[in-house]
Amino acid sequence: NAGVTQTPKFQVLKTGQSMTLQCAQDMNHNSMYWYRQDPGMGLRLIYYSASEGTTDKGEVPNGYNVSRLNKREFSLRLESAAPSQTSVYFCASKTSSGNTIYFGEGSWLTVV
Amino acid sequence: GQQLNQSPQSMFIQEGEDVSMNCTSSSIFNTWLWYKQDPGEGPVLLIALYKAGELTSNGRLTAQFGITRKDSFLNISASIPSDVGIYFCAGVNAGGTSYGKLTFGQGTILTVHP
Repeated sequence: NAGVTQTPKFQVLKTGQSMTLQCAQDMNHNSMYWYRQDPGMGLRLIYYSASEGTTDKGEVPNGYNVSRLNKREFSLRLESAAPSQTSVYFCASKTSSGNTIYFGEGSWLTVV
Repeated sequence: GQQLNQSPQSMFIQEGEDVSMNCTSSSIFNTWLWYKQDPGEGPVLLIALYKAGELTSNGRLTAQFGITRKDSFLNISASIPSDVGIYFCAGVNAGGTSYGKLTFGQGTILTVHP
């Protein structure tokens, strides 16, 4: 069972470069999320999409853009990467009515 | 932004010992979730709690939804080396402008010595 799949698993970027993190879920969930995880900070919400065609800012949206391509896919883009965006990024999804959120395996991003 | 206060931040225990961790908040939640994250992996759901006072077990794990709806605890009995990881609590807001929002604690890092 695939669940939530995100790519790439690891990426090193130079400051100023751009990249897109891809996420797909096969659970027919309406809601999808992007979190970042930093030491001692727990998981912080970057952007979320409550349903196909909608996106909203989370707690730490600056420096990121997102696209809800279809019900399955939700991508996160860094237009001009900065060292402060070095982090582990997690995509997640859940049903509209449920409160249980399911996570991908994470993407380790280093910006040098 | 709003955060849950999760404690302790880290624990170093001997195999076989019991473990207890908790989360508190100034806000009321209508759902509490407990996740475990293994090194290099994403968080995996352990237990979900939906009613105040609810006590739920999953093997050696037991979690409770506090009566005030502002706290929850997780207990692990007879710890084993594979319990090592980071444990996160998460709460779903019950009302106001944050209704339905999921908030995470900072995590508890558990180390188990054989």
